[in-house]
Amino acid sequence: EPEVTQTPSHQVTQMGQEVILRCVPISNHLYFYWYRQILGQKVEFLVSFYNNEISEKSEIFDDQFSVERPDGSNFTLKIRSTKLEDSAMYFCASSGGRSVEKLFFGSGTQLSVL
Amino acid sequence: AQSVSQHNHHVILSEAASLELGCNYSYGGTVNLFWYVQYPGQHLQLLLKYFSGDPLVKGIKGFEAEFIKSKFSFNLRKPSVQWSDTAEYFCAVILFSGGYNKLIFGAGTRLAVHP
Repeated sequence: EPEVTQTPSHQVTQMGQEVILRCVPISNHLYFYWYRQILGQKVEFLVSFYNNEISEKSEIFDDQFSVERPDGSNFTLKIRSTKLEDSAMYFCASSGGRSVEKLFFGSGTQLSVL
Repeated sequence: AQSVSQHNHHVILSEAASLELGCNYSYGGTVNLFWYVQYPGQHLQLLLKYFSGDPLVKGIKGFEAEFIKSKFSFNLRKPSVQWSDTAEYFCAVILFSGGYNKLIFGAGTRLAVHP
């Protein structure tokens, strides 16, 4: 079965540093998403991306966050200046169509900001 | 605001016990409902989903869920759990925002099954 791949599985960084979380969506998918889960809390939507632009973002996705699809295969989430409260598990997802009914999730990247 | 509530944060069961995990949503429109499972160290996997039709939905690994519209509920059930069912379970609902749809998740329920 095809799968969404995320790297690294665990990232540790100092507060104020920039981090880039990488995702390789399923190859023929067109819609891409980032979600995150702070420990003990619910999975939260961050952003959706289609046709090389953000289609929707949540209030969490402020100016510190950006997404990019630099080479047609990778889909990255950048946090410019990390804060302690950015520590979370970040999930990438992709789907072939607009509806999220066939949303495939990656294994997640655990980001720890010290 | 639309939300999804899971009533039990932690559930501990012995093997062969029956399982029911509660899920309620607050959204007045048409909903599509899901249960996802996350095994330790693994990615989220779809267990089952409800879009329309028979409100009793059967999923993988012997799980089923019942959509009760009048109660805004979509509870997950399994008649006899196994140790391998130890995982975190997330209820989710699609919000149709007119543009690009997104999933809203509940807080999750951690299930521990003891042999």
